[in-house]
Amino acid sequence: EPEVTQTPSHQVTQMGQEVILRCVPISNHLYFYWYRQILGQKVEFLVSFYNNEISEKSEIFDDQFSVERPDGSNFTLKIRSTKLEDSAMYFCASRDGVPYEQYFGPGTRLTVT
Amino acid sequence: QKEVEQNSGPLSVPEGAIASLNCTYSDRGSQSFFWYRQYSGKSPELIMSIYSNGDKEDGRFTAQLNKASQYVSLLIRDSQPSDSATYLCAVNMFVPKTSYDKVIFGPGTSLSVIP
Repeated sequence: EPEVTQTPSHQVTQMGQEVILRCVPISNHLYFYWYRQILGQKVEFLVSFYNNEISEKSEIFDDQFSVERPDGSNFTLKIRSTKLEDSAMYFCASRDGVPYEQYFGPGTRLTVT
Repeated sequence: QKEVEQNSGPLSVPEGAIASLNCTYSDRGSQSFFWYRQYSGKSPELIMSIYSNGDKEDGRFTAQLNKASQYVSLLIRDSQPSDSATYLCAVNMFVPKTSYDKVIFGPGTSLSVIP
């Protein structure tokens, strides 16, 4: 069964460093998303991406964040200058056109020290 | 105003019982509703989607939707210890007149099934 994959599973970085989180969505899906979940808190929407551009973003997704689909399979989230409060699980999700069900990858645990 | 609300629990039920999980949402225009299961340290796993008022059954799971009351529920019949997890209610919200959407999650209800 097709699934969303993410790498790395765990990333440790120092405050101020840049990180890139990688995702491979399900191959025939058209819509891509990033969510985050701070430990003990709810899953929060960051950004959605369709047709090679951002379709919607939350207020969390500020200028420090960017997304890219560099080729036909990968979808990346870049954080330019990490802060302690960026420590969280980051989930990538994707869906087909219809139905609207989003399928989540296993997540990347980001730890900023 | 919180967009998606759930009882945080924890909810404890004995093995074999019915577990009932509830959710309310604020956006009256929402059309798509989901239940995800999340084990500790893992990602959300889609278990049910529901789009129309009424009940939708899938195995031991039944989702119920009442758009007039802005209420979604999930019933788990014959609960098993392996059902012990956090259950996330999620509502799809669209940018008006587009196909662009985002899923807004509730805080989750922790379910514990006692053997």
